[in-house]
Amino acid sequence: DAGVTQSPTHLIKTRGQQVTLRCSPISGHKSVSWYQQVLGQGPQFIFQYYEKEERGRGNFPDRFSARQFPNYSSELNVNALLLGDSALYLCASSSGLASSYNEQFFGPGTRLTVL
Amino acid sequence: AQKITQTQPGMFVQEKEAVTLDCTYDTSDPSYGLFWYKQPSSGEMIFLIYQGSYDQQNATEGRYSLNFQKARKSANLVISASQLGDSAMYFCAMREEPNQAGTALIFGKGTTLSVSS
Repeated sequence: DAGVTQSPTHLIKTRGQQVTLRCSPISGHKSVSWYQQVLGQGPQFIFQYYEKEERGRGNFPDRFSARQFPNYSSELNVNALLLGDSALYLCASSSGLASSYNEQFFGPGTRLTVL
Repeated sequence: AQKITQTQPGMFVQEKEAVTLDCTYDTSDPSYGLFWYKQPSSGEMIFLIYQGSYDQQNATEGRYSLNFQKARKSANLVISASQLGDSAMYFCAMREEPNQAGTALIFGKGTTLSVSS
């Protein structure tokens, strides 16, 4: 079975531009989470979607938005890019939402560079 | 305040030796989960081991074991018989329940492990 897939692998944008990152969860998984990992730091939570509804939001500005589609894939959009948005963006999928143990399977990430 | 603290930026170990990576956490929630992930240079986060706050025994998964000391709020990862392929960044993470952000994981800053032959 395929794992979590993300596209594109790498992306270079300039300040002020907009970017869309895509994620396909593991088949059967209904929850998708997005994380931002700046170089040298641990991942920081951005959003979680479950059954196409936003279930959690981290401490990120409104320039960041996301959505989940009927097939449970997800997009993360970032508007008005800043240099500080340069990071590895990780997508994670899990089967459910409710329990403290809900293993999240991570994709390979999209490396975004903002010039 | 930091919820997950990893105080070792880098650790060095020789092949076949055991190594302990430290992790302390801060939560007032009685129900929570603790995770360890491995991140090779490729970037993908690989799940290693999980410990629930109510679990009576320390978790083990192959060469990985979690030294869970609830009163001290520590969840150290022990890797036995280190291999060259263990060289990577290791992250400790926590999920609280209930959590305003769904089932979001809170990560520490990570520890870089280097295994030499």
